[in-house]
Amino acid sequence: DTAVSQTPKYLVTQMGNDKSIKCEQNLGHDTMYWYKQDSKKFLKIMFSYNNKELIINETVPNRFSPKSPDKAHLNLHINSLELGDSAVYFCASSANPGTGVEQFFGPGTRLTVL
Amino acid sequence: GNSVTQMEGPVTLSEEAFLTINCTYTATGYPSLFWYVQYPGEGLQLLLKATKADDKGSNKGFEATYRKETTSFHLEKGSVQVSDSAVYFCALLARGADGLTFGKGTHLIIQP
Repeated sequence: DTAVSQTPKYLVTQMGNDKSIKCEQNLGHDTMYWYKQDSKKFLKIMFSYNNKELIINETVPNRFSPKSPDKAHLNLHINSLELGDSAVYFCASSANPGTGVEQFFGPGTRLTVL
Repeated sequence: GNSVTQMEGPVTLSEEAFLTINCTYTATGYPSLFWYVQYPGEGLQLLLKATKADDKGSNKGFEATYRKETTSFHLEKGSVQVSDSAVYFCALLARGADGLTFGKGTHLIIQP
């Protein structure tokens, strides 16, 4: 069974559109995250959710909004897409954040904005 | 703030060569340290980790030792294989933080 899954794997869309990326984890973890990997492979944290509460927002534009319907899901909604949003977005999850345990990553969603 | 510095590469080696990828960090307190690997077209997989000073993480022939005095966590492998070709990320998790801070990744290419 896949531990952390994301859909879709690829997403191609036009500037100005609104899109969502879905993430699900079956590990029973309390905390989920979204990371952005740019064209140079640099990874940066965007959000984390713990028990449905947003606990990190790293100066991400408010066009990005994470939504967590339950502990196992953290979806990423993006409004008014811009060219610079093109990247690979990774979802991750962990237990007991801040105690040094590993984060488990999904396979990534490659977003291309035309 | 927290930061991780690693050699970016690409690093090209012949099969069976010795590998070292340097990683140094800046963090408040005593962070946990990780190496993640990303194979072409795939997500990130944890390779190894260390949570306190002098800990050695090891997996699949790779090793890294948490050196507090030099704030380093260098990745080593004695004999690399073509299948080790990937991008390697050093990362830290600061105490009380939730998100990982990553280095810029090192692209490793192993030639037969």
